[in-house]
Amino acid sequence: RKEVEQDPGPFNVPEGATVAFNCTYSNSASQSFFWYRQDCRKEPKLLMSVYSSGNEDGRFTAQLNRASQYISLLIRDSKLSDSATYLCVVNEGYSTLTFGKGTMLLVSP
Amino acid sequence: GAVVSQHPSRVICKSGTSVKIECRSLDFQATTMFWYRQFPKQSLMLMATSNEGSKATYEQGVEKDKFLINHASLTLSTLTVTSAHPEDSSFYICSAQRARSNEKLFFGSGTQLSVL
Repeated sequence: RKEVEQDPGPFNVPEGATVAFNCTYSNSASQSFFWYRQDCRKEPKLLMSVYSSGNEDGRFTAQLNRASQYISLLIRDSKLSDSATYLCVVNEGYSTLTFGKGTMLLVSP
Repeated sequence: GAVVSQHPSRVICKSGTSVKIECRSLDFQATTMFWYRQFPKQSLMLMATSNEGSKATYEQGVEKDKFLINHASLTLSTLTVTSAHPEDSSFYICSAQRARSNEKLFFGSGTQLSVL
């Protein structure tokens, strides 16, 4: 069974902190990877794709480690508005997508 | 950018009625659409994969006769919750992927179903 595993959290951090989430996947043939952000009772929104070389978008950095089969998301200088659930999504090939269960982040003042 | 439109956004119905939810890809063709359900404080759970022109593939534990999926065109998939009961109350979300693509999913805005 192909799986995508995430720590459900919640991760409780103060404003300004740096926090990192990992996501492991079991299918070594997985082709593409994404981090989505989901607010309560809303649809998930793409936060960033994860590229082999790693990529950064402002305070957010995503990394892919194919050898160990995990992806990571680093958030620097956390804001209150970063509080959400972060979903790891793995594309295993055409139309085969697997979601992690999500990691909840709570940023407090 | 690509947009997926989902309607209605909220439904309140009596137990025993059927509810249809539409998911449209507005500016791209989606041979495959996905239907998810999310209960409060839980993760998205894939219910079924909807393939244009063929039968949907249902995840284990999802009743295909209760959750009817029709994907009659490259831009429209519908989910019908038949004879809805209070335990079917949930947040239903669809998503679509461009045909023959490994790129990101595009999500509808979700439908909050409340069955009284």
